[in-house]
Amino acid sequence: EVQLVESGGGLVQPGGSLRLSCAASGFTFSSYEMNWVRQAPGKGLEWVSYISSSGSTIYYADSVKGRFTISRDNAKNSLYLQMNSLRAEDTAVYYCARDGAAAGDDAFDIWGQGTMVTVSS
Amino acid sequence: QSALTQPASVSGSPGQSITISCTGTSSDVGSYNLVSWYQQHPGKAPKLMIYEVSKRPSGVSNRFSGSKSGNTASLTISGLQAEDEADYYCCSYAGSSTFLWVFGGGTKLTVL
Repeated sequence: EVQLVESGGGLVQPGGSLRLSCAASGFTFSSYEMNWVRQAPGKGLEWVSYISSSGSTIYYADSVKGRFTISRDNAKNSLYLQMNSLRAEDTAVYYCARDGAAAGDDAFDIWGQGTMVTVSS
Repeated sequence: QSALTQPASVSGSPGQSITISCTGTSSDVGSYNLVSWYQQHPGKAPKLMIYEVSKRPSGVSNRFSGSKSGNTASLTISGLQAEDEADYYCCSYAGSSTFLWVFGGGTKLTVL
């Protein structure tokens, strides 16, 4: 079964750090571009970051640039998001999402269940 | 650089058809045939329903269809069923390194 499972969310104080992980299974992880997408409570979806299949190309939304770092370990079938200098407005459910371009559908075709990050004192 | 525009809510009765619009700009929806639509039930992860404007993933009902004209994309659901009640989000590739993909604000579909 094709699956993405996030972990690492939790409660953190403003200015703190958190590292999210996303474990992939059921597909050749190293062939796919990956993204992080977040959803603040009661709000819509927001693209956060992108990483190419090899990890050589990385992009960030302006709202997180300079504070978040995306990475991947293809040997471990895992995607990561290191979040530093967290702010209250970073409070959201964070989803890892596969870009299905390698499978012929250029969209977010597989999503994890999400992990909640709460930034509060 | 701003979110795509969707109506906040739409409604329809079982068996009817509804259409949700998604308006962007010439820099996103109007420039790329990379518009997708996602269904999200409460407390669940989004699910891909339409990709590349009008293509359906395997397993998605043919009651769901997509189209695009200029800077506006549309999702049509025909033969409404109770289980279609959910939030729907459009998304478009935008091509900027700091604005790679842009989502719409979401539309709450109520099946009356």
